[in-house]
Amino acid sequence: AQSVTQPDIHITVSEGASLELRCNYSYGATPYLFWYVQSPGQGLQLLLKYFSGDTLVQGIKGFEAEFKRSQSSFNLRKPSVHWSDAAEYFCAVAGLYGQNFVFGPGTRLSVLP
Amino acid sequence: GAGVSQSPSNKVTEKGKDVELRCDPISGHTALYWYRQSLGQGLEFLIYFQGNSAPDKSGLPSDRFSAERTGGSVSTLTIQRTQQEDSAVYLCASRTSGSHNEQFFGPGTRLTVL
Repeated sequence: AQSVTQPDIHITVSEGASLELRCNYSYGATPYLFWYVQSPGQGLQLLLKYFSGDTLVQGIKGFEAEFKRSQSSFNLRKPSVHWSDAAEYFCAVAGLYGQNFVFGPGTRLSVLP
Repeated sequence: GAGVSQSPSNKVTEKGKDVELRCDPISGHTALYWYRQSLGQGLEFLIYFQGNSAPDKSGLPSDRFSAERTGGSVSTLTIQRTQQEDSAVYLCASRTSGSHNEQFFGPGTRLTVL
């Protein structure tokens, strides 16, 4: 069965520091991968998605993610974190037509001033 | 255009009562999902509607939970005989048909069962 793991429950970084959030998946077919962000009291917003092509994808708010098939990973990165990035981040995997959409447990990001 | 809307935004009910939660997807979106997010937890898939196909109900936790989607648009999630463990935020999402499309989420309904 498909699954998504996010090994880090909570990460704290200082403002201006770099960030990497880990995501590993298990999927029986070609995975389509997403990162969503949920700010306090807000709905989920798509940061970026990967379907094919260049394995390094750019998203909104300066985020990027790299798909590594050999490692079944889709890690999210940002070179310099801003205080407004404090939120919950969810990695998700789905089938081509949106079936079997599975979310990871989330990683909570705290940003120190 | 308008996003996904959900109502009510908050619902407090007593144990044993039935509740109905509503989702209005983005116009033209043929796929609709319901999720449950308990405090500090990730998203738990509940049910998925795609066009006129039979819904994927594999995530519904018990037969107290049901959902329908009328006219391929608005959806209602019904929880019968609510229990305290049903307390959570219920999220709805919609997406267009076809491949490579992400879900757009509503703001959620926070359900509290006393």
